[in-house]
Amino acid sequence: GAVVSQHPSRVICKSGTSVKIECRSLDFQATTMFWYRQFPKQSLMLMATSNEGSKATYEQGVEKDKFLINHASLTLSTLTVTSAHPEDSSFYICSAPGTGPVGNQPQHFGDGTRLSIL
Amino acid sequence: SQQGEEDPQALSIQEGENATMNCSYKTSINNLQWYRQNSGRGLVHLILIRSNEREKHSGRLRVTLDTSKKSSSLLITASRAADTASYFCATDAGAGKSTFGDGTTLTVKP
Repeated sequence: GAVVSQHPSRVICKSGTSVKIECRSLDFQATTMFWYRQFPKQSLMLMATSNEGSKATYEQGVEKDKFLINHASLTLSTLTVTSAHPEDSSFYICSAPGTGPVGNQPQHFGDGTRLSIL
Repeated sequence: SQQGEEDPQALSIQEGENATMNCSYKTSINNLQWYRQNSGRGLVHLILIRSNEREKHSGRLRVTLDTSKKSSSLLITASRAADTASYFCATDAGAGKSTFGDGTTLTVKP
């Protein structure tokens, strides 16, 4: 079945560091991918929609200069958390829509990246 | 704000019992999906039910959808300890975006 690979699975770094997270669709192409953030014991909040070949679309309240998204190819989207601070510590998850009729496609999720900023 | 609300927030049952989780949403949808998340992991897609469907089965899972009440339920029958996880509903109103409910944490005691 469709698989989405997310890397790295865990990052611990100092405040002020920029961190890049990769999301790859392994056996299918994804012109669109989604990035979510999840705080402990909370639900997933959509941050942005990554579009291959064009700019990402950010949800209200998400700083696009803080969370840089690049959809370089049909199988790769990257999220860069720039100048990360402790409040950016969270679980970041990407997803890509699977096959099926438009509007009825299951989302395939990566395993997530646990980001901890010291 | 989140589209969906789920109840209960937490559910603890004995192995072999059935578990029912409910989800309510606010706007019109194309489909509703249920996901499972083990602690610290990504989400696993369980089942998708389209807006014109009322009930769907997959193994020990049974999902219902009532669009007039804007609600859905997930039933897990004959639960196992390995079913312990968080369960989320998510609605797709278009453009492939999913809006997630708050989730139900299920604990199945052996």
